[in-house]
Amino acid sequence: KQEVTQIPAALSVPEGENLVLNCSFTDSAIYNLQWFRQDPGKGLTSLLLIQSSQREQTSGRLNASLDKSSGRSTLYIAASQPGDSATYLCAVMNYGGSQGNLIFGKGTKLSVKP
Amino acid sequence: DAGVIQSPRHEVTEMGQEVTLRCKPISGHNSLFWYRQTMMRGLELLIYFNNNVPIDDSGMPEDRFSAKMPNASFSTLKIQPSEPRDSAVYFCASRRSDSGYTFGSGTRLTVV
Repeated sequence: KQEVTQIPAALSVPEGENLVLNCSFTDSAIYNLQWFRQDPGKGLTSLLLIQSSQREQTSGRLNASLDKSSGRSTLYIAASQPGDSATYLCAVMNYGGSQGNLIFGKGTKLSVKP
Repeated sequence: DAGVIQSPRHEVTEMGQEVTLRCKPISGHNSLFWYRQTMMRGLELLIYFNNNVPIDDSGMPEDRFSAKMPNASFSTLKIQPSEPRDSAVYFCASRRSDSGYTFGSGTRLTVV
């Protein structure tokens, strides 16, 4: 059974720092991996989608990497801003899951202090 | 594109009452998912549909929960009778094949 773990559960950094959020998964046979952002009391906003054949995706100050063999993904945020404060969720879709469901980690709650 | 639309945004109901949550997926998306989010358990899949057909409902907690998708543009999640432990945020999401998921804003359900 696929399990997704995110470390740390919470992170507080000063504005301007570069930071890395970690995600690990137990079954490497994934179809894709997606990073989401969730603001308090809000829904999930998709940040980056990495297909199993890809190693990384970039969008603005965000860069996500994927290492399937080791069951790891990282989300790198450059030059963090207070507006980046939110919970970041990692989710994987397993093979046999082209129409299947996402399995989520519990998230990392990020706080960027001005 | 208005995104995935859920209603209501908030629902407060008394234990024992029937609750119906609604979702309109993005046009052209052929898969629809219902998730529940709690502090203790995080995000859990309840049920998903592909081309309006229920594919996997193993996440539905018990018979009090039911979901329907009568057409490609509408789905409901019904809880009857509701219990306090059903209090959570319920999300609907949709996707096309080979695309990422798009989530709605959720329905915050409180059962008192």
